[in-house]
Amino acid sequence: DAMVIQNPRYQVTQFGKPVTLSCSQTLNHNVMYWYQQKSSQAPKLLFHYYDKDFNNEADTPDNFQSRRPNTSFCFLDIRSPGLGDAAMYLCATMISPGVTDTQYFGPGTRLTVL
Amino acid sequence: QKEVEQDPGPLSVPEGAIVSLNCTYSNSAFQYFMWYRQYSRKGPELLMYTYSSGNKEDGRFTAQVDKSSKYISLFIRDSQPSDSATYLCAMRFAGGTSYGKLTFGQGTILTVHP
Repeated sequence: DAMVIQNPRYQVTQFGKPVTLSCSQTLNHNVMYWYQQKSSQAPKLLFHYYDKDFNNEADTPDNFQSRRPNTSFCFLDIRSPGLGDAAMYLCATMISPGVTDTQYFGPGTRLTVL
Repeated sequence: QKEVEQDPGPLSVPEGAIVSLNCTYSNSAFQYFMWYRQYSRKGPELLMYTYSSGNKEDGRFTAQVDKSSKYISLFIRDSQPSDSATYLCAMRFAGGTSYGKLTFGQGTILTVHP
């Protein structure tokens, strides 16, 4: 089945130790998003790629960066994780232009910072 | 004031009940309205997608949008224990530079008990 895959599902890192989260998709969608969802809070968009064009949200900390080496893969790099970065990180994809512009989410990576 | 307000609940109902979930929003420029279901430790899954005002029905689910009141609702008929999840409302603008950016509500935790 076509899907959005995130690895790892659970990631534990130490304060200040860089970490990379991975997202891959078999949907061949041209738009990919990264959201941060803290406990009992709404998902918050960090940035997205429209094709190869990177779009950063104004309030996304510089600590967060992203790479998209090809259509299928997208990475979230956290350069120096702080305790406040512990959250679920959700990857989503969308095809644009499309009939419904629906975003499809992966299962998420839960990040713990010790 | 948050752009999208959603009562976090939790909401507990008996099996077979009609469930009403609601969100209010402040920005009249939102044009697309969605409801996502999120099971514990999983990514959000799209349930309903509506453009502008009106009703949309899909099986046991009905979505309503009232743009004049800036109010959206999701009704679940004949609720089942398998409906137990967090329900997130989401909305977005048409076009713009942050293409497809979703603004989410906080989510309502729903439990349907047998």
